[in-house]
Amino acid sequence: DGGITQSPKYLFRKEGQNVTLSCEQNLNHDAMYWYRQDPGQGLRLIYYSQIVNDFQKGDIAEGYSVSREKKESFPLTVTSAQKNPTAFYLCASIGTGDEETQYFGPGTRLLVL
Amino acid sequence: GENVEQHPSTLSVQEGDSAVIKCTYSDSASNYFPWYKQELGKRPQLIIDIRSNVGEKKDQRIAVTLNKTAKHFSLHITETQPEDSAVYFCAASKRRFNDMRFGAGTRLTVKP
Repeated sequence: DGGITQSPKYLFRKEGQNVTLSCEQNLNHDAMYWYRQDPGQGLRLIYYSQIVNDFQKGDIAEGYSVSREKKESFPLTVTSAQKNPTAFYLCASIGTGDEETQYFGPGTRLLVL
Repeated sequence: GENVEQHPSTLSVQEGDSAVIKCTYSDSASNYFPWYKQELGKRPQLIIDIRSNVGEKKDQRIAVTLNKTAKHFSLHITETQPEDSAVYFCAASKRRFNDMRFGAGTRLTVKP
């Protein structure tokens, strides 16, 4: 399982608060992703980054922001503009080359107080 | 963009029976189809994948079949065991960085 870590495992957000979810990988992968998972739904892409200092919006980017200052790290900030943030957040990465297999982190469950 | 539909949403089988989960995709250019298993509260784990240049792939009790003409692919689990109980997701992509799309998942329960 190792290679991608996420923290914290659980995160509680108060109304109007920004919170940041951590994602770190030591797989030397260029591409990293953030997905949101709601009950009964598949994974939906929030943001992705193909290379350091570059990132793109996914299907549901509103209310979220990211940065990619280091290859190993791709933190996600859930801003106060995200009105329904309660979900399970998964980070993933892909190596370059022929393989497109996504490796997932253990996830962060975000709850609103 | 790509749209992936997955059926059934829940599946209950008796231990030892087979289980089949089906997915359809919309983009005929998609050429990579992974299947993930996710246990409760855990990360999705890749269990098998298939590329569009083959029609079937097998790994022990798990197999995946692909029909490119009909744009559907299926996961087959034989001799199911209670530890196979989990949510299974299919996905499809053109093997570009941003285009993998997931099905909504199937909750498989294997009753002892």
